[in-house]
Amino acid sequence: DIQMTQSPSTLSASVGDRVIITCRASQSISSWLAWYQQKPGKAPKLLISRVSTLESGVPSRFSGSGSGTEFTLTISGLQPDDFATYHCQHYDSYSWTFGQGTKVEVK
Amino acid sequence: EVQLLESGGGLKQPGGSLRLSCAASGFTFSSHAMSWVRQAPGKGLEWVSTISGRGVMTYYADSVKGRFTISRDNSKNTLYLQMNSLRTDDTALYYCAKAASTVTFFDLWGQGTLMTVSS
Repeated sequence: DIQMTQSPSTLSASVGDRVIITCRASQSISSWLAWYQQKPGKAPKLLISRVSTLESGVPSRFSGSGSGTEFTLTISGLQPDDFATYHCQHYDSYSWTFGQGTKVEVK
Repeated sequence: EVQLLESGGGLKQPGGSLRLSCAASGFTFSSHAMSWVRQAPGKGLEWVSTISGRGVMTYYADSVKGRFTISRDNSKNTLYLQMNSLRTDDTALYYCAKAASTVTFFDLWGQGTLMTVSS
């Protein structure tokens, strides 16, 4: 089974910072890679699908990139509303795998 | 309004059974695969099970295979998860999630229902 590992587990940042979260796969994977944002006590919200496709209504400061085994979520200019936990997710052959999550907290 | 609303969570003893429900509204329920995803306290997300739009195909994580059964009633726009032989490590917030048309990710989530397994 493919494992998805996010780094860092926790990231301390300030408003305005550029934040990069990495998601690594245990082997080369397809482009079925998505990112979700989850705030405390709330359900996850889809941000990005297919590595880099921004969902409707998601601010353009969010972007995704990568290929093979390494993928990144970048927040360019962190806003107060962005402090949350971010999860990557991969799909392969009717199996859906999440990373362990990255918490972006106030520095 | 497009939404998913889970119900049925609670406290169960190890070895017990429980059925979760998820009521869907605001979209053509039968046209979409549906899934259950869980999150143990303080942990990450774990995919549990998925069912195709017409309910013909079902898929399970190894951790629940043989113990959990996913089903749906398209006439009632409702998704179910029958959970048997419950274990303490099944304790989690269980989310109902709608799969996107490509099936590869989840574009709508409910608020979750908490199931605790404890003696």
